[in-house]
Order: sequence, then structure tokens, then C-alpha cells
Amino acid sequence: TQLLEQSPQFLSIQEGENLTVYCNSSSVFSSLQWYRQEPGEGPVLLVTVVTGGEVKKLKRLTFQFGDARKDSSLHITAAQPGDTGLYLCAGAEYGGGADGLTFGKGTHLIIQP
Amino acid sequence: GAVVSQHPSWVICKSGTSVKIECRSLDFQATTMFWYRQFPKQSLMLMATSNEGSKATYEQGVEKDKFLINHASLTLSTLTVTSAHPEDSSFYICSARVTTTGELFFGEGSRLTVL
Repeated sequence: TQLLEQSPQFLSIQEGENLTVYCNSSSVFSSLQWYRQEPGEGPVLLVTVVTGGEVKKLKRLTFQFGDARKDSSLHITAAQPGDTGLYLCAGAEYGGGADGLTFGKGTHLIIQP
Repeated sequence: GAVVSQHPSWVICKSGTSVKIECRSLDFQATTMFWYRQFPKQSLMLMATSNEGSKATYEQGVEKDKFLINHASLTLSTLTVTSAHPEDSSFYICSARVTTTGELFFGEGSRLTVL
């Protein structure tokens, strides 16, 4: 069974600070997806990274896929209260669940104004 | 991105009753949809795979007679929680796979509270 270790599990920082969320595994994934989920809503896909070493930017969010496709990171610059939510990473294929995904446990992020 | 809609968003029911939750792919066809359960402050737990025109596949530990899944069309899957009890109270989420890209898009979730 593949595992995705996501860290930190909880993070509370002040508006304007930078932060990084990590997603690590000993297994190789064909791709990795990042989702953000707000309370009472379903996860919303932020990005999919496919190529080892790939870097994608979404405004103040920077996503990186490790060269070996075993790990990924999400970096947020100048965090805003609107960034508050649960961030989930999910690795695709190579022994994932029936939906093809192995989910991390999530990072609860709170940005205080 | 693709749109997946769930209904109802929240439901309160009495113990012993059955509740049906719908999951629709609004702008694409989905031969496969998935149902998840999420407890507070936890990640998603896959319950079952809903296959259009065939029986659902349940994950280990999920009671198929308790959680009935029907996928009658390429855009609709339903989850029925039968004889609901307070311990069934949870946030239920569906997802649908876009065939061409393999990406999953999630519904908004349905909050079930059983009194």
C-alpha cells in the first residue's frame, strides 16, 4: 500500500508570511494532484504535476514535483486569509486506490489577518 | 475545470430512515464515479467505486447493504444510506473521472446528520 506523508498537519500563520507544505512518499507516482478544501465543501483541484522536476505556478502558489516523482511541495507566498483551508495532495496510479489516487492526510492551514 | 454537483448539500434525518444523495457530472460523461466519507479534520476515505451500468465496487469494511450505490446513467450516481443511524453522520463526497485526462473532480459534498 502506498503512503503519502503530508506535513505539517496543522499550520497557523499571520497574513503576509510564506509557507511550504510537503508531500512525501517512498513510492513513485505517475502524477500528483493538489486540492484545496474549504469547510463544508468538496475538494477543488488546484494543479496536476506530471513530469519529474516540474514547477507550476498559480498566482502566489508554487507547486513542485520531485525529480524522482516521489515527493511534491506547495509554497505559498504572502499568504492571505483567503488561503485558509485544508490542502490535500493525492498521488495517481501505481497501486493507488480504486480511484487511482492515494491521498495524504491533509494540511489544515489557517491564515490570521 | 469539469463540474460535479451533489444534492442535497445537507440533510438531517431521523434514525432508521433512508437518505439518498445524488452526484451529477454537469458538463462531461463519467463512466466511473467515486464515493468518499470524510470525518472532521481528516482526509477523504474512499468508500466505493460506482460503475455505470454495473454493480458498484466497495472498499474493504464498507457495508454494501448499508450504502447502496446506483449509477444508472453516464452523468448520475446515487448513494443511499439505508436505515441510517447517528454513527452514519458524516460528510459524504463524490468525484467523477474525466476520461480524457484522468483527473478527478469532486462534488461539493453532502453533510448528513442522523438524529
